[in-house]
Amino acid sequence: AQSVAQPEDQVNVAEGNPLTVKCTYSVSGNPYLFWYVQYPNRGLQFLLKYITGDNLVKGSYGFEAEFNKSQTSFHLKKPSALVSDSALYFCAVREHRGGATNKLIFGTGTLLAVQP
Amino acid sequence: DSGVTQTPKHLITATGQRVTLRCSPRSGDLSVYWYQQSLDQGLQFLIHYYNGEERAKGNILERFSAQQFPDLHSELNLSSLELGDSALYFCASSVGSIGYNEQFFGPGTRLTVL
Repeated sequence: AQSVAQPEDQVNVAEGNPLTVKCTYSVSGNPYLFWYVQYPNRGLQFLLKYITGDNLVKGSYGFEAEFNKSQTSFHLKKPSALVSDSALYFCAVREHRGGATNKLIFGTGTLLAVQP
Repeated sequence: DSGVTQTPKHLITATGQRVTLRCSPRSGDLSVYWYQQSLDQGLQFLIHYYNGEERAKGNILERFSAQQFPDLHSELNLSSLELGDSALYFCASSVGSIGYNEQFFGPGTRLTVL
């Protein structure tokens, strides 16, 4: 069964510093990986995805993520955090098996708090 | 704004009642997904429809049902409501049913069961 883990409930970082939000996944086939962000009282917004190819994926608002197959990880990164980046971040995985696709499974979310 | 609309934004009802949540996908999107978000369960996939047909089921209770209409809007029906059904219910849409299509989420319906 596919699963995704976000080991940190909360990440604190000072504005201007680099940030990393961790995600590891488990699938038996090839994964499609996604990052979403949720601001208070709002729906989830798509940030970026990994399908295949280059392990470094660039997304919206200066975020990027690195796919590491050997470590089954897909960590979200940003070189310089902004206070406005403070939000709840979700990693999600969907398994691709020979043309058939499985449901999208979300992690438990990581609250990013950027201090001014 | 994702282009996905959900109504109503808030819903307060009593135990045992039945409610209907409505979702209109982005223009051109054929897939609609329903999710439940609660503090204890996190974000849980409920059901997926593609062009009117059910494609996948997740942790959806038998008291819950959904459908997608010919105009592609979808409704989630929740019946015999219990206190534990209080949650945020999100609808999402994507252009197809392929696994690498990103999903676009609506603003959600906050359901409170008293």
